[in-house]
Amino acid sequence: EVQLVESGGGLVQPGRSLRLSCTTSGFTFEDYPMSWVRQAPGKGLEWVAYIRMKIYGGTTEHAASVEGRFSISRDDSKGIAYLQMNSLKTEDTAVYYCTRALRASGDTFDIWGQGTMVTVSS
Amino acid sequence: EIVLTQSPDTLSLSPGEGATLSCRASQSVSSNYLAWYQQKPGQAPRLLIYGASSRATGIPDRFSGSGSGTDFTLTISRVDPEDFAVYYCQQHGNSRWTFGQGTKVEIK
Repeated sequence: EVQLVESGGGLVQPGRSLRLSCTTSGFTFEDYPMSWVRQAPGKGLEWVAYIRMKIYGGTTEHAASVEGRFSISRDDSKGIAYLQMNSLKTEDTAVYYCTRALRASGDTFDIWGQGTMVTVSS
Repeated sequence: EIVLTQSPDTLSLSPGEGATLSCRASQSVSSNYLAWYQQKPGQAPRLLIYGASSRATGIPDRFSGSGSGTDFTLTISRVDPEDFAVYYCQQHGNSRWTFGQGTKVEIK
């Protein structure tokens, strides 16, 4: 069974850092791009970051709202994707979902984790 | 950035009725890169449709997608009780992904 399990969320003060992890199983991790999507309480979905497969350079993309503060990375040997979040703001409060992207379907997000809550508050 | 606007915001239906959800883009979107997701309360989103009209694995055939350019539609032929949820369209272009604000399909 394909699974994505996020961890690392919690309560953090504004200006501090947090690193989220997405542990995967059930598929060949190195063959897929990965992405993070967030959802503020009671709001819609917002794409956050995307990382390509190593064979395409492992390059990354970040939404303008997090550019320069957040950084996505991957460890293919462990099957884990990360989201390093620095200089956190109250508006970063959200459930953060890890997703698998499917190139064959136009980089849509075909598998989602259950999400991890990040609360930024003093 | 391409903005996606969904309508209506809320759709009130009885089980068995048909549903038509609209997604309009501020610029032309490649059909290859238009998707629809379903989200139920307390759950992660689930991919329904990709490439504007292809059903994802395990999605019932009462769900169908259509459209091109700037206008896309998700149709539910006969709404089942398990279909009451929020539906989001999403596009991918120029290495950026955006979602519509969502349409809530609720029980009438």
